[in-house]
Amino acid sequence: QKEVEQDPGPLSVPEGAIVSLNCTYSNSAFQYFMWYRQYSRKGPELLMYTYSSGNKEDGRFTAQVDKSSKYISLFIRDSQPSDSATYLCAMSVDYKLSFGAGTTVTVRA
Amino acid sequence: DVKVTQSSRYLVKRTGEKVFLECVQDMDHENMFWYRQDPGLGLRLIYFSYDVKMKEKGDIPEGYSVSREKKERFSLILESASTSQTSMYLCASRLGSNQPQHFGDGTRLSIL
Repeated sequence: QKEVEQDPGPLSVPEGAIVSLNCTYSNSAFQYFMWYRQYSRKGPELLMYTYSSGNKEDGRFTAQVDKSSKYISLFIRDSQPSDSATYLCAMSVDYKLSFGAGTTVTVRA
Repeated sequence: DVKVTQSSRYLVKRTGEKVFLECVQDMDHENMFWYRQDPGLGLRLIYFSYDVKMKEKGDIPEGYSVSREKKERFSLILESASTSQTSMYLCASRLGSNQPQHFGDGTRLSIL
């Protein structure tokens, strides 16, 4: 069993829709939780970083962490074609970063 | 904004060559990392460095070495390149413990 499981996708949504991305994990030692966005032929770009259970908002993005259920989510409101990318969840303990496999999202204009 | 710069976006080398991949960060970060990213396998950690001249093996160090002589620069070395090392290589850095990693744009390396 992988340490981090991410909903595989791909997802295709119309412009303006809410995008919901999910990951589960098995290692209860994970302390920090991140979401990265990766455009084609580019490196991952940090979107959200949090260490506590609950919600964190940044503009159209909301990260949700539920440590008791070992579950994290990313919501994108009012999605735009520019949000079309692969989204990676990641979680860490000390130096080690464990990634989900990524979900590819396409927002149709 | 954090800037992690990888010296080459695309590189083509031959089997058996010694290959150097360079990474520079401009934010005085303590820790630096090298990953490779392959379809179906995701990102895997090759080596990391928590300080100048210090290095630790990651999950897949075989066939690679690293060098960190200055704080801002972290080099990945393929001692004798093989076709199995064809991949996207990503460098990352972070300020220190409990901080997120920031990535460069990657080097797409092809070994022929």
